[in-house]
Amino acid sequence: AQSVAQPEDQVNVAEGNPLTVKCTYSVSGNPYLFWYVQYPNRGLQFLLKYITGDNLVKGSYGFEAEFNKSQTSFHLKKPSALVSDSALYFCAVRDNDYKLSFGAGTTVTVRA
Amino acid sequence: GAVVSQHPSRVICKSGTSVKIECRSLDFQATTMFWYRQFPKQSLMLMATSNEGSKATYEQGVEKDKFLINHASLTLSTLTVTSAHPEDSSFYICSATPGGRNTGELFFGEGSRLTVL
Repeated sequence: AQSVAQPEDQVNVAEGNPLTVKCTYSVSGNPYLFWYVQYPNRGLQFLLKYITGDNLVKGSYGFEAEFNKSQTSFHLKKPSALVSDSALYFCAVRDNDYKLSFGAGTTVTVRA
Repeated sequence: GAVVSQHPSRVICKSGTSVKIECRSLDFQATTMFWYRQFPKQSLMLMATSNEGSKATYEQGVEKDKFLINHASLTLSTLTVTSAHPEDSSFYICSATPGGRNTGELFFGEGSRLTVL
């Protein structure tokens, strides 16, 4: 079975500082990894994905993620966080049937 | 990106009634849609896979007679919560992926918050 883990329930950073949200994965075979963001009472918005290719993936709203096979990680990063980045972030892994398994989620709070 | 629409966004009902939630893919055809349930401040739990023209596939522990799923067309799936009870109160989210050659990600609806009194 495949799964992802988000070790941090919460991440707090000051506006303008770098933001990192951690994710590790466990899969058999090639991983299909995703990051989604959720604002209160809203659905999920796609940020970025890793299917194959370059380990550094660039996505929406200035976010990027680095796929690290040796560490089985797919951490989400943003060089300079904004207050508007405050939200709930989910890492997910997809199987061949397009089912997504989500991490527990990390609440990001960016203070002004 | 592709657009998935859910309706209603919020619904309040009395215990014992049934509630239908619609999920539509607005600009693509979706042979497969997924229904998730999310409790407050928790992750999404996959309930079932909705397949156009065939029966839904339910995840372990999800009552298929309680959560009826119909995928009547390539752009519409419905989730009906039958004889709803307060413990069914939750945030329900659908997702869909375009058929054929696609880029791999799922697109999500805005969610439907069900409150059962």
